[in-house]
Amino acid sequence: EAQVTQNPRYLITVTGKKLTVTCSQNMNHEYMSWYRQDPGLGLRQIYYSMNVEVTDKGDVPEGYKVSRKEKRNFPLILESPSPNQTSLYFCASSNHITEAFFGQGTRLTVV
Amino acid sequence: QKEVEQNSGPLSVPEGAIASLNCTYSDRGSQSFFWYRQYSGKSPELIMSIYSNGDKEDGRFTAQLNKASQYVSLLIRDSQPSDSATYLCAVNGGGGGNKLTFGTGTQLKVEL
Repeated sequence: EAQVTQNPRYLITVTGKKLTVTCSQNMNHEYMSWYRQDPGLGLRQIYYSMNVEVTDKGDVPEGYKVSRKEKRNFPLILESPSPNQTSLYFCASSNHITEAFFGQGTRLTVV
Repeated sequence: QKEVEQNSGPLSVPEGAIASLNCTYSDRGSQSFFWYRQYSGKSPELIMSIYSNGDKEDGRFTAQLNKASQYVSLLIRDSQPSDSATYLCAVNGGGGGNKLTFGTGTQLKVEL
């Protein structure tokens, strides 16, 4: 089954404690991206990757890091989380100009 | 000016009616247009894509694109309570990079 898998689904953490949200896709897609979704602001792109070892900033990259060492994986790293990073996060993958497939989402709370 | 604009709603329609959802975008170079449905707390799910001017029909859904007016719409015929969700308009810019820009979504409520 074609899918994008994120882990964990839910996470509560404390300010400053590094965390990683994993994302994996099995569709051999070249393009992967991370979004955060906040009430009234919609989906905003954090980082994207057009291929292995190629990453770039989206609209709201501050406080986040990503890596793309393998085509199927695109983890999101928060080196020092802060409460304003409390949000619902989605990973997505796609081929060139085609529709994006989303993971199940990760609800992150930073206290 | 937001890049992709949608009325946040809620848009309420009776069961069986036609729901009309609208979206405007600012980048004239945009090439691909998508409608996603998102239930509360769930991930967005693609329901329609459209790439050229005109109408595209898929079951109860019709997407309409007018590039001259920078306008894309989604019609849902015979609306059902299960259609109650937030509908996100997404636009793929023409500048490469495959970036999708989303509107903030329109909440649709289908009432019995």
